[in-house]
Amino acid sequence: DAGVIQSPRHEVTEMGQEVTLRCKPISGHNSLFWYRQTMMRGLELLIYFNNNVPIDDSGMPEDRFSAKMPNASFSTLKIQPSEPRDSAVYFCASSPSPGQGGKLFFGSGTQLSVL
Amino acid sequence: GENVEQHPSTLSVQEGDSAVIKCTYSDSASNYFPWYKQELGKGPQLIIDIRSNVGEKKDQRIAVTLNKTAKHFSLHITETQPEDSAVYFCAAAQKLVFGQGTRLTINP
Repeated sequence: DAGVIQSPRHEVTEMGQEVTLRCKPISGHNSLFWYRQTMMRGLELLIYFNNNVPIDDSGMPEDRFSAKMPNASFSTLKIQPSEPRDSAVYFCASSPSPGQGGKLFFGSGTQLSVL
Repeated sequence: GENVEQHPSTLSVQEGDSAVIKCTYSDSASNYFPWYKQELGKGPQLIIDIRSNVGEKKDQRIAVTLNKTAKHFSLHITETQPEDSAVYFCAAAQKLVFGQGTRLTINP
């Protein structure tokens, strides 16, 4: 298996632009997670899905952030409009276990820079 | 909500020595405690985990111990090697809250 695949690897954009991050989880995994990593705040859970349904989005910073999972093999995280403080590494992870009590398999991340 | 404290934030040891990283958690309902290793430019990778029904688990040079009464768990790496240099994260479920990470450096 190729593991969790994220794209793009790097994204540089200007403040106010829309940004879309993409994730393909490991086939057969039931849960998908979006994390944000910064030096100041570490790894923060933004949202997680179970069987394509959003279960907990309490970590989503504000209405500028939205996430979708239209099918079991694809998810997006969108920021509109983007701001400099959104600059971070965004990780997608999937898990074969339902909910949050199982092993996570992380992608390589998207390094986002908002100028 | 769950709070996970990880110490130390940086750790430097001589090659061949042991390294210990400690985490405490607040939610007594947590029952799953994984440790992840993150190398530069990569996502975290699970290296070992433990569930609350056991007190210790070992995998070659890596071991994790759990004290549910005190609500803390530790990662032990023995006979450290240069490739062990990385950032290590602990986490606690239910909500898989991560610790702040420990940057481990192995000095040759």
